[in-house]
Amino acid sequence: DAKTTQPTSMDCAEGRAANLPCNHSTISGNEYVYWYRQIHSQGPQYIIHGLKNNETNEMASLIITEDRKSSTLILPHATLRDTAVYYCIVRVARSFGNEKLTFGTGTRLTIIP
Amino acid sequence: DTEVTQTPKHLVMGMTNKKSLKCEQHMGHRAMYWYKQKAKKPPELMFVYSYEKLSINESVPSRFSPECPNSSLLNLHLHALQPEDSALYLCASSQVRGGQGANEQFFGPGTRLTVL
Repeated sequence: DAKTTQPTSMDCAEGRAANLPCNHSTISGNEYVYWYRQIHSQGPQYIIHGLKNNETNEMASLIITEDRKSSTLILPHATLRDTAVYYCIVRVARSFGNEKLTFGTGTRLTIIP
Repeated sequence: DTEVTQTPKHLVMGMTNKKSLKCEQHMGHRAMYWYKQKAKKPPELMFVYSYEKLSINESVPSRFSPECPNSSLLNLHLHALQPEDSALYLCASSQVRGGQGANEQFFGPGTRLTVL
């Protein structure tokens, strides 16, 4: 699975959009981009995933560049509850249970009141 | 029910004890996972079960013994652990879809284990 690079930490003002970048320059054509987050002392939480097209759900938007070498997770109106470590993971969507998530070090996002 | 539950929340054990961690889900997921997370580090995969059979063992020491008695339950049996095994143990589950598609994993809150 391709390796990802994320900034170690970021701050964002409450109510503003939080834009979290991720570089995955060695991504292959059949690899998806996943985002998870982990709020302190809780289990990781799935946010969103995508292959080529931009994706949006009730939590966030995922923008993937045309060459697929980088992506940005956007939290449109950050709240204090969005303070967490955000993990960008790139992996092949395998079948029949061999689903190995390899977490990198992630970005620690702090929402400032 | 979209929840993965783990018991106990906290566990303290001695190096000679035998204990078990339990994980349960009722989402009909047929893949279940154990992860280990040391303080200030990302989670690391330990085991994957698919259709109640062990499909991935990430070279985990034999003092950790997983068990999947049915499609809703996953256990991790612990024996003769070392203090460095102290960590947050996370369970997750996902659907198993063949071919295309990405299967998001649902995580439980974890069991915080301290080995004295």
